[in-house]
Amino acid sequence: DIQMTQSPSSLSASLGDRVIITCRTSQSVTTNLHWYQQKPGKAPKLLIYRASTLPNGVPSRFSGSGSETDFTLTISSLQPDDFATYYCHQSHSTPLTFGGGTKVEIK
Amino acid sequence: EVQLVESGGDRVQPGGSLRLACTVSGFTFSDYWMHWVRQDPGKGLVWVARINSDGSSTSYADSVKGRFTVSRDNAKNILFLQMNSLRVEDTAVYFCLRASDYWGQGTLVTVSS
Repeated sequence: DIQMTQSPSSLSASLGDRVIITCRTSQSVTTNLHWYQQKPGKAPKLLIYRASTLPNGVPSRFSGSGSETDFTLTISSLQPDDFATYYCHQSHSTPLTFGGGTKVEIK
Repeated sequence: EVQLVESGGDRVQPGGSLRLACTVSGFTFSDYWMHWVRQDPGKGLVWVARINSDGSSTSYADSVKGRFTVSRDNAKNILFLQMNSLRVEDTAVYFCLRASDYWGQGTLVTVSS
């Protein structure tokens, strides 16, 4: 099974801050790595597809990078709507796995 | 607009069964692999099962293998998850997921005596 190590597990940040979340996989997933945002009581929402592709409708302050085993989600300027939990997810091989989540809170 | 709507969640006793459904619209269902993912209340996301586009191939998490069965009806645009021999630890919100992009809103399964 591919293990996912996401860090940090939580962070406090202020509006306008640059936020970086990392995800490391235990073996290569090439670019089959995706990022989601989840708010309480809601379904996850796709933020970044295949490591670096921004789906239509996702604000450009979100970006993703990386390949193989090391990936990064960056929020360039934190906005009020961005306080949520973020998950990485690999779809390279079954069992599909998710990172443990990063909760982004208001400082 | 892509939509996925889960149904069938309920409270059931240990050892019982439930059948979840995910009704989709807004895309060609038969073109996509589909997944079930669950989330314990207040916890992270856990993949449960996947099925390929024509239903000929399935895969399961070890924790549900032999107890859960994923299937699909491409004519009716519905994904199913048959859950048998339910355990307390199966309690979770169950989501259907299209490939790796669109999610349903989830349906709550509670296994408790």
